[in-house]
Amino acid sequence: AQSVAQPEDQVNVAEGNPLTVKCTYSVSGNPYLFWYVQYPNRGLQFLLKYITGDNLVKGSYGFEAEFNKSQTSFHLKKPSALVSDSALYFCAVRAPSGGGNKLTFGTGTQLKVEL
Amino acid sequence: NAGVTQTPKFQVLKTGQSMTLQCAQDMNHNSMYWYRQDPGMGLRLIYYSASEGTTDKGEVPNGYNVSRLNKREFSLRLESAAPSQTSVYFCASREQGSVSYEQYFGPGTRLTVT
Repeated sequence: AQSVAQPEDQVNVAEGNPLTVKCTYSVSGNPYLFWYVQYPNRGLQFLLKYITGDNLVKGSYGFEAEFNKSQTSFHLKKPSALVSDSALYFCAVRAPSGGGNKLTFGTGTQLKVEL
Repeated sequence: NAGVTQTPKFQVLKTGQSMTLQCAQDMNHNSMYWYRQDPGMGLRLIYYSASEGTTDKGEVPNGYNVSRLNKREFSLRLESAAPSQTSVYFCASREQGSVSYEQYFGPGTRLTVT
């Protein structure tokens, strides 16, 4: 069975500083990995994905994520945080075949960016 | 292009009452999904429909039923609501066969069962 762990319930960062939101995964085969963001009282919005290729993937709003197969990690990063980045972030994994393209989500990490 | 829409936005039910949550997408996607979101538990898949005419159970299907009415619409029914079903429910869709794989989410329905 596939699973995702987001070890931090909350991450606090000062505006202008780099941010990292951590994600590790477990899946059979090569994973498909995703990051989503949820603003208050809204649905989830897709940020970026890793399917294959370059281990560093770039997404929306200046976010990027690094796929590390040996550490089974897919950490979300941004070089300079903005207050408007404050939101709930979810990592998700999908097995490469079968299963109806089901995503398994982590429990989420609340990012708080302060002035 | 509205994307994925859900109705209602909010609902309060008494234990034992029934209701149907509606979801529609206008992106011509084949696959649709229902999730529930609970604090500290992330999103959990209730049911999904890989294509029109098919439905399958997800991680937490007990107490729910679904209907894929047509390609656009996928409804979730609670036959006899319980307080444990208090949650935020999200519908999502995905284009089958797409190399993108990402799912597109609706705004959610906040359900309280008293």
